[in-house]
Amino acid sequence: NAGVMQNPRHLVRRRGQEARLRCSPMKGHSHVYWYRQLPEEGLKFMVYLQKENIIDESGMPKERFSAEFPKEGPSILRIQQVVRGDSAAYFCASSLGQGGVTGELFFGEGSRLTVL
Amino acid sequence: GENVEQHPSTLSVQEGDSAVIKCTYSDSASNYFPWYKQELGKRPQLIIDIRSNVGEKKDQRIAVTLNKTAKHFSLHITETQPEDSAVYFCAASRAGGYQKVTFGTGTKLQVIP
Repeated sequence: NAGVMQNPRHLVRRRGQEARLRCSPMKGHSHVYWYRQLPEEGLKFMVYLQKENIIDESGMPKERFSAEFPKEGPSILRIQQVVRGDSAAYFCASSLGQGGVTGELFFGEGSRLTVL
Repeated sequence: GENVEQHPSTLSVQEGDSAVIKCTYSDSASNYFPWYKQELGKRPQLIIDIRSNVGEKKDQRIAVTLNKTAKHFSLHITETQPEDSAVYFCAASRAGGYQKVTFGTGTKLQVIP
């Protein structure tokens, strides 16, 4: 059973470009979370999704950022018109959701975005 | 929403000594408290967790305690080893329903050989 798969692992963008980060949850997992981590800092919650539904996007900036988890395919975190402050590691995690006994999260390896 | 505070932010111990990391949470409905370890450049990985119907749980050199009344929980690492050096995150969530997981700010543990 493959773990949570994120790609790309490293992404370099120039200011003003778009960044798309993809996350395929573990098999059987229906909940996906995105967290942002700046160097030497903690995991900041961005968004929590189920298939075709955004459950909680309270941690996501209102502008330039969007996330989706379509019925088919990976979850995508999209950052438009990137700025240097968007440079960070973006971690995706998945969980079983309401079918799970616990809320254990399984993390991907992260996507490291560098904005030049 | 839930707010999780974690202390200390950095901790240095001599190899073989114990390390204790403390967290508090605000949402009395939270019932699941995991601890994650993140090594440099790697992903966070679950090391131990505790549910609200249990006061203490041990797994070899690692133990976690939970005080529901005071809304705080702690991670205890005994006989620390250099490979324990990492950043540790506590977290809180409501397992089984709305499962947003809120993390503490992390503790950077350094074990000095």
